[in-house]
Amino acid sequence: GDSVTQMEGPVTLSEEAFLTINCTYTATGYPSLFWYVQYPGEGLQLLLKATKADDKGSNKGFEATYRKETTSFHLEKGSVQVSDSAVYFCALSGLSGNTGKLIFGQGTTLQVKP
Amino acid sequence: DAGVIQSPRHEVTEMGQEVTLRCKPISGHNSLFWYRQTMMRGLELLIYFNNNVPIDDSGMPEDRFSAKMPNASFSTLKIQPSEPRDSAVYFCASSPNGGKNIQYFGAGTRLSVL
Repeated sequence: GDSVTQMEGPVTLSEEAFLTINCTYTATGYPSLFWYVQYPGEGLQLLLKATKADDKGSNKGFEATYRKETTSFHLEKGSVQVSDSAVYFCALSGLSGNTGKLIFGQGTTLQVKP
Repeated sequence: DAGVIQSPRHEVTEMGQEVTLRCKPISGHNSLFWYRQTMMRGLELLIYFNNNVPIDDSGMPEDRFSAKMPNASFSTLKIQPSEPRDSAVYFCASSPNGGKNIQYFGAGTRLSVL
């Protein structure tokens, strides 16, 4: 079945460092891909998305490119801030028609130190 | 838009008691999802509804768990009887139909079963 695999955390970086969080997926068909972020004490919120191969999603300085050939959707940011400390979830749209069901990875915790 | 509203935000109860968690989805959204999040198991999809009809409840851990959606603006997740291993953060999310696959999460209910 469809699945998402993320790199294990926690990822600990110093402020202004470059961030990469790896995400690979297994899916039949052509799913949409998403990154969600969960700040402490809050629910998940959409960070960015890409709906077809070679699309690049971007938001708040974060970027991810839908790579069909490598089945990947790695999250990157050029210079992280302490406020980026959160849990990041990669997800893909399931084969459920238009119901909005998503399949989430296990989440990667990012800790940014000043 | 008030977003997805969950209540209560925190619930502390004793083993064996009945617990009811509530969710009001975003108006106009057709799909509603219940998740459970723990450190050990991460984010788990328990059940989801489309147009008030349960579509997939395969994630419901056992018969002690039940969920209802009597109308488009309200859903409940009930645990009876509750056990200490049910302690977790429970999230509700809603999504509009139309292939967008974006889910909007509530702030969650933190449940502690003593």
